[in-house]
Amino acid sequence: GAGVSQSPSNKVTEKGKDVELRCDPISGHTALYWYRQSLGQGLEFLIYFQGNSAPDKSGLPSDRFSAERTGGSVSTLTIQRTQQEDSAVYLCASSLLSTRYNEQFFGPGTRLTVL
Amino acid sequence: QKEVEQNSGPLSVPEGAIASLNCTYSDRGSQSFFWYRQYSGKSPELIMSIYSNGDKEDGRFTAQLNKASQYVSLLIRDSQPSDSATYLCAVEGGQNFVFGPGTRLSVLP
Repeated sequence: GAGVSQSPSNKVTEKGKDVELRCDPISGHTALYWYRQSLGQGLEFLIYFQGNSAPDKSGLPSDRFSAERTGGSVSTLTIQRTQQEDSAVYLCASSLLSTRYNEQFFGPGTRLTVL
Repeated sequence: QKEVEQNSGPLSVPEGAIASLNCTYSDRGSQSFFWYRQYSGKSPELIMSIYSNGDKEDGRFTAQLNKASQYVSLLIRDSQPSDSATYLCAVEGGQNFVFGPGTRLSVLP
C-alpha cells in the first residue's frame, strides 16, 4: 500500500515569506508526527497529532510555526515569516497507535531552503 | 527531560564482521524501542522494534534489550557495504518518540 507522502519535496523561499508543507499519512493511521532535521543533525520533534487534535505541541520552536490536521488525515505545517535558521528537512511520520506497538513510518521529507 | 544517547561514530567495521550499535535511555518507564536506518539524504527507515527484555532476531539483525540497565543494542551480522548508514535509536516516551543522535556506521569492503 501507499506510504507516507509529503509535498513539496523541495521548497526554496525568501526570508520573510510564509511556507506550507503538506503530509499525507498512511491510510488508517491515527497518529501523525512532524520532525525537523538540520544538516548532519538528529531528529527534532515538532508536534504530534492524535486524530485531529494535537496533545503535544511542545516541540514547536516559535509562534511562527503552526500545524493543523483535518479529517484525521492530511496535515499541514505552516511556517510564517521564514528565517534562514528554518532551513532543514521537515519529516512527517504516521503510526497506527491502536496498540502499544507504536511503530512510526516516515515520509520522504520536504527540504526547505530559506535564502 | 527524557534522553537517548548513542555514540556518534563513525563506527568502521570490515565487510563480513559483526557491527554492534549501542543506545542508552533515561526514562525507566519506557516500554517500546526501535532502530531506524537512515541513508544519507533519505528519511529514516524502521528496521527493528523490541518491547521485551532479551534478544529479537530478524535476518542479519538482532536487537537486544535490557530494561534494568536501560540499554538497547543492535547487532548486524555479516555486515555489508550497503549497511553503511546512520542508525537511529528511538525510545517511546508516552505517546511520542525520543530519538538518539544516531551512530554513523561505515562497512569497509
